[in-house]
Amino acid sequence: NAGVTQTPKFRVLKTGQSMTLLCAQDMNHEYMYWYRQDPGMGLRLIHYSVGEGTTAKGEVPDGYNVSRLKKQNFLLGLESAAPSQTSVYFCASSYGGGGNQPQHFGDGTRLSIL
Amino acid sequence: QQQVKQSPQSLIVQKGGISIINCAYENTAFDYFPWYQQFPGKGPALLIAIRPDVSEKKEGRFTISFNKSAKQFSLHIMDSQPGDSATYFCAASIPSGTYKYIFGTGTRLKVLA
Repeated sequence: NAGVTQTPKFRVLKTGQSMTLLCAQDMNHEYMYWYRQDPGMGLRLIHYSVGEGTTAKGEVPDGYNVSRLKKQNFLLGLESAAPSQTSVYFCASSYGGGGNQPQHFGDGTRLSIL
Repeated sequence: QQQVKQSPQSLIVQKGGISIINCAYENTAFDYFPWYQQFPGKGPALLIAIRPDVSEKKEGRFTISFNKSAKQFSLHIMDSQPGDSATYFCAASIPSGTYKYIFGTGTRLKVLA
């Protein structure tokens, strides 16, 4: 059982380039989330989805876009990468349907923008 | 009002000692308080969680103490081991139907052998 899988694991981009991070979950979870983790700032929510075909903004959405075309996949896009987007990105998913469903995390994508 | 304040930022404990990490919140609507453990190069993993109608929850060496009136909760790691060395995050869930979490800023724990 893979759980939450993120690809790629590492990536280096130049300023202005674009890329897409892929998150896949095999737990049939309804809810999916993208976070970024920066030193001393914990995890901050970028975008999230409460079901296939839905997306919503989180705490720090600027510069990112997302899509949830299939229930098991949640894509995070950077249209024009900036050095401020250098971070570790985590995807999470949860069953939803109740207030106390834990979020399950992938192992992250480490992204450097030069 | 949506913040969760976590302290200390880092903690060093001798093997066998008790590690204590504290979190405080302001939004009384938060309804679920998980703690996550994260090892280097890995994603956060759920360690233990509590609801606000419970004052304490224990799972093995890990205990959450919850003080609803003070709007504080803490993680206690009894008999701390070198394998517990990791970063710990507290979080609070927003009961908005989206089950979003607000995370604390993390505590880096080092347990000395």
